[in-house]
Amino acid sequence: DIQMTQSPSTLSASVGDRVTITCRASQNINNWLAWYRQKPGKGPELLIYRASTLETGVPLRFSGSGSGTEFTLTISSLQPDDFATYYCQYYSTSEATFGGGTKVDIK
Amino acid sequence: EMQLLESGGGLGQPGGSLRLSCAASAFSFSRYAMSWVRQAPGTGLKWISSISDAGDKTYYAESVQGRFTISRDNSKNILYLQMNGLRDDDTAVYFCAKGRLRSVFLYSVWGQGTTVAVSS
Repeated sequence: DIQMTQSPSTLSASVGDRVTITCRASQNINNWLAWYRQKPGKGPELLIYRASTLETGVPLRFSGSGSGTEFTLTISSLQPDDFATYYCQYYSTSEATFGGGTKVDIK
Repeated sequence: EMQLLESGGGLGQPGGSLRLSCAASAFSFSRYAMSWVRQAPGTGLKWISSISDAGDKTYYAESVQGRFTISRDNSKNILYLQMNGLRDDDTAVYFCAKGRLRSVFLYSVWGQGTTVAVSS
């Protein structure tokens, strides 16, 4: 089974900061990677799929990059709405595996 | 706005059963695969089951295979999860999620979740 590892597990930042989260796959997953944001008490929201494609309606401050085994999510200028937990996800035609999550909190 | 609303969570006994429902609105439910994903207290997300748009294909994680059954009623726009043989480690918030376009395992809409607690 493919394992997804995120780092860091927690990140403290301020409004306006540039934030980068990393996700590593245990084997080559090409670009079958998505990123989600989850606010407390809510279901996740899809931000990015195919490693770098922004979902419709998602603000342009979010971007994704990478392929193979290493991926990053970047928030160019952190907004109050972005203090949340972020998950990467490997998806294929037969399975879905999530990373452990990165909590972004207020410095 | 597309919405998913889960219900049916609560307290279950070890070895007992619960049935979760997920009511969909504002999209053509029968055209999309649907899934259940759970989140144990203080932990991350874990996929547990999916069903194709027509309901003819089902998928399960090893941890629930043989105990849980996913189904759907396209005439009522409702997704179900029948949970039998409950165990302590089934305690979690259960989310239903809509597949993005033709994907079964990429999720574009999620519900708010329903909480299942398994305890004697």
